[in-house]
Amino acid sequence: DGGITQSPKYLFRKEGQNVTLSCEQNLNHDAMYWYRQDPGQGLRLIYYSQIVNDFQKGDIAEGYSVSREKKESFPLTVTSAQKNPTAFYLCASLGERGAGANVLTFGAGSRLTVL
Amino acid sequence: SQQGEEDPQALSIQEGENATMNCSYKTSINNLQWYRQNSGRGLVHLILIRSNEREKHSGRLRVTLDTSKKSSSLLITASRAADTASYFCLCGSNYKLTFGKGTLLTVNP
Repeated sequence: DGGITQSPKYLFRKEGQNVTLSCEQNLNHDAMYWYRQDPGQGLRLIYYSQIVNDFQKGDIAEGYSVSREKKESFPLTVTSAQKNPTAFYLCASLGERGAGANVLTFGAGSRLTVL
Repeated sequence: SQQGEEDPQALSIQEGENATMNCSYKTSINNLQWYRQNSGRGLVHLILIRSNEREKHSGRLRVTLDTSKKSSSLLITASRAADTASYFCLCGSNYKLTFGKGTLLTVNP
């Protein structure tokens, strides 16, 4: 089955450490996205990539970095510069689902807790 | 970026009742999509309506779109406890896809 795999599901980090969240898709989608969600809140866009070797900042990119070296992979690094990194992180890809319309497919999420 | 804003922020109903939530946006769109998120999970696509459509049905879901008012509504008929979730609209116009805060629907058994 095609889908998006995020890992790890849960991650604990000490302050000052960088961590990398993995996102892999086998849907052959060109565009991929990272969102952050805080408790009881909506999703905020961190970074997105329309195509391999290209990515753009979203609304809250500070303290985060990404790479897009392969179509299937879009890892997110939460750096020590991110002041409040404890959150639920969601990865998604954009692709066609019937009649030429693109919709987002989401992974199950990674929950990061900074100790 | 084009961001939809959902209303109300929270909605609590009894099982069997209908639930209606709304989405407003500001600029022109190609389509509007609704997603559901169960607590602690990723979002799941529910239904898409194109800018040249006015109404669409899928099972117990009915979505309407009024481009003159820049608004959409999602109706869930005969709600079930399993419909308890957050619902988000997404306006499709370019690649920078952003969400509003969603509507938290609670269906009480």
